[in-house]
Amino acid sequence: DAGVTQSPTHLIKTRGQQVTLRCSPISGHKSVSWYQQVLGQGPQFIFQYYEKEERGRGNFPDRFSARQFPNYSSELNVNALLLGDSALYLCASSGGTTNTEAFFGQGTRLTVV
Amino acid sequence: KQEVTQIPAALSVPEGENLVLNCSFTDSAIYNLQWFRQDPGKGLTSLLLIQSSQREQTSGRLNASLDKSSGRSTLYIAASQPGDSATYLCAVIRSGGGADGLTFGKGTHLIIQP
Repeated sequence: DAGVTQSPTHLIKTRGQQVTLRCSPISGHKSVSWYQQVLGQGPQFIFQYYEKEERGRGNFPDRFSARQFPNYSSELNVNALLLGDSALYLCASSGGTTNTEAFFGQGTRLTVV
Repeated sequence: KQEVTQIPAALSVPEGENLVLNCSFTDSAIYNLQWFRQDPGKGLTSLLLIQSSQREQTSGRLNASLDKSSGRSTLYIAASQPGDSATYLCAVIRSGGGADGLTFGKGTHLIIQP
């Protein structure tokens, strides 16, 4: 069984640009969450989607948005990139409302220059 | 607001030692607690999940305990090996729906010396 897959693995963007990160959950998982991890810190919660609806949002500006597709894959979009958005972006999938064990992908390393 | 603290921040021990990593959280109203391992620049690997009604979970050389009332969890690693070198993160989630997401500590950076 494939685990959580994220693409791309690395990318470099310029300040002010927009970026889209992609995530495919484990087969059968309906919940996808996004996290931002800066160096030396634990991951910070950005969004949770379940059954294509946003169920939770962390303390991030409106430049961050996401969506979930009918096949439960998800995209995270960040507009007007700032240098401080440079981080490892992690996607996690879980089974659903009661099965919250989270399984993470390998992450996307975003560098903003 | 839930806060998770992990002590120590870093630990270096010789191979073969048994060791304990500590995690504390400020709000005891949690749904479950999960321990992860993270290798440099990589994603997180789930090690153990403890439901709020459970006291401990075991997997191989790993044992995690949970004392919800005191807001503490420990991860015990038996007979440590160089391959155990990594950052260990604990995280709690407040509700079954997961709408608040996981709240993580900053991790314990573990080095096992050969």
